[in-house]
Amino acid sequence: EAQVTQNPRYLITVTGKKLTVTCSQNMNHEYMSWYRQDPGLGLRQIYYSMNVEVTDKGDVPEGYKVSRKEKRNFPLILESPSPNQTSLYFCASSFRANYGYTFGSGTRLTVV
Amino acid sequence: KNEVEQSPQNLTAQEGEFITINCSYSVGISALHWLQQHPGGGIVSLFMLSSGKKKHGRLIATINIQEKHSSLHITASHPRDSAVYICAVNLYNNNDMRFGAGTRLTVKP
Repeated sequence: EAQVTQNPRYLITVTGKKLTVTCSQNMNHEYMSWYRQDPGLGLRQIYYSMNVEVTDKGDVPEGYKVSRKEKRNFPLILESPSPNQTSLYFCASSFRANYGYTFGSGTRLTVV
Repeated sequence: KNEVEQSPQNLTAQEGEFITINCSYSVGISALHWLQQHPGGGIVSLFMLSSGKKKHGRLIATINIQEKHSSLHITASHPRDSAVYICAVNLYNNNDMRFGAGTRLTVKP
């Protein structure tokens, strides 16, 4: 089944403890991206990747890192999480940037 | 002012009604997307448009590039259409995405 898999689905962590949210797709898509969704602010793009080893900042990249060493994986790294990074995170992939997207199921992160 | 504006913010309809959700944008774009987010939180991509009109089942999406406007229509609405519908655009000069605030649709039986 074609899908984007995010893990974990839920995560509670403490301020400053490094964490990684994984994202993997099995569709050989070139484009992958990360978003956060907050009440009243909607969805906002964090980072995106046009292909392996090519990443770019989105609208709200501060406090996040990404890497794209393989085509299928695009992990989101929070080196020192803070409470303002408490949010619902989505990963998505697409054949190219301007094609239809497949979204992961989301990761609800709480930083205390 | 947001780069992507949606209207209405909330919409309640009776089953069977024809529904229109509007999206206006103020930036140059290379593509526009309509997304559906169900109460459980999952997001599904409904349409990607760069021109004209697309149809999938009871859903129709149109875009007018000159007027910087897109509409999503649902014919013969059903309670299972209840969801938040989100308009998103790929910016023309890069591949950043910008999102509308979403339209919360409730279809009553």
